[in-house]
Amino acid sequence: GESVGLHLPTLSVQEGDNSIINCAYSNSASDYFIWYKQESGKGPQFIIDIRSNMDKRQGQRVTVLLNKTVKHLSLQIAATQPGDSAVYFCAENICYGQNFVFGPGTRLSVLP
Amino acid sequence: DAMVIQNPRYQVTQFGKPVTLSCSQTLNHNVMYWYQQKSSQAPKLLFHYYDKDFNNEADTPDNFQSRRPNTSFCFLDIRSPGLGDAAMYLCATSPRGGNSNQPQHFGDGTRLSIL
Repeated sequence: GESVGLHLPTLSVQEGDNSIINCAYSNSASDYFIWYKQESGKGPQFIIDIRSNMDKRQGQRVTVLLNKTVKHLSLQIAATQPGDSAVYFCAENICYGQNFVFGPGTRLSVLP
Repeated sequence: DAMVIQNPRYQVTQFGKPVTLSCSQTLNHNVMYWYQQKSSQAPKLLFHYYDKDFNNEADTPDNFQSRRPNTSFCFLDIRSPGLGDAAMYLCATSPRGGNSNQPQHFGDGTRLSIL
């Protein structure tokens, strides 16, 4: 079936720099997208979401961009901090459905 | 705080010995999910309940079963665990109803080891 995928499995950034984590999705019917952060030994934690009628949404230090033309989603983290080190997953949902499809994840490492 | 609670956090069982993992929620969400997550992989959906309606994923092995006796609790039963079933098992909830998109809320998982 169709799935969500990520281009970069690992990402290392210097503390204080901005991070960009990318996600490609293949189901054009997907209309709701979520970014989760998963720290070691914990469950995924909601960061930010975006609906398909938007192309950008901002939170605290995070921005999600959605490009439906090329089916691409990105998470931008401003002024990356050591506490941002984690695995980040994107997930997609179709038409208020109950199922979420997860991408393979990107590990973000913040260097001192 | 309202949350999703999984017990136990760590579970060890013997090869072939049935095991049950528990999940409870105080969010009053009508959808509850069970995911299997292996090391360095994304969570893989096993099944979910929409209220009492059970929805099994096509590739979930018959070895995995679930029960939801009420809104708050959901159980994952592994009838005859094999070595390949060692993983983190995540429970999640989501509100559903009407035209709304809402994220899932996850517990911190139960890490299952098979001896």
